Amino acid sequence: NAGVMQNPRHLVRRRGQEARLRCSPVKGHSHVYWYRQLPEEGLKFMVYLQKENIIDESGMPKERFSAEFPKEGPSILRIQQVVRGDSAAYFCASSPKGETEAFFGQGTRLTVV
Amino acid sequence: SQQGEEDPQALSIQEGENATMNCSYKTSINNLQWYRQNSGRGLVHLILIRSNEREKHSGRLRVTLDTSKKSSSLLITASRAADTASYFCATTSGGGADGLTFGKGTHLIIQP
Repeated sequence: NAGVMQNPRHLVRRRGQEARLRCSPVKGHSHVYWYRQLPEEGLKFMVYLQKENIIDESGMPKERFSAEFPKEGPSILRIQQVVRGDSAAYFCASSPKGETEAFFGQGTRLTVV
Repeated sequence: SQQGEEDPQALSIQEGENATMNCSYKTSINNLQWYRQNSGRGLVHLILIRSNEREKHSGRLRVTLDTSKKSSSLLITASRAADTASYFCATTSGGGADGLTFGKGTHLIIQP
């Protein structure tokens, strides 16, 4: 019973490099959500995707950040030219349809040095 | 924008006691969900209550929803050390276009 799989679990990038975070949803789930969490804080919504479509990206910075959920393969959150402030835990969640229980991955902890 | 706000921010009780956490939100909702997060881990779904429901039970968990006050409470009875975690409420507002909106959470510590 594979849940949401995120990789890598930890990622270290130097300022200016690109970070690629991967999320494989629960099999059969077509809704994927990305969240960012700073230490001691709650989760901040970033983007909501269905297969091949971005439904809501209102929480995602307009520059340097992009997300995709292709027909085949995992969802990717891409951060270009990373800065120290991008250091955080990034969580992916999936659900079979909107507004139902979401299943979370273990997160990717990004550290920008 | 942040929708749910949990209260208190932190709560420390003795094992065996009951723990109550509250959540307030601003706009109308379709449903409200409670999640638990153990340190450094992903979130685990606990319970979902729909806007037309007032109370729901699941094991030692009891959730209430008061849509007139835009608030919810999570009660954990007979707490155990393993209940130590952060608890978040999350709402969905309908329309299918938005993701779950989380509060900052209540950090619960159960003293053995």
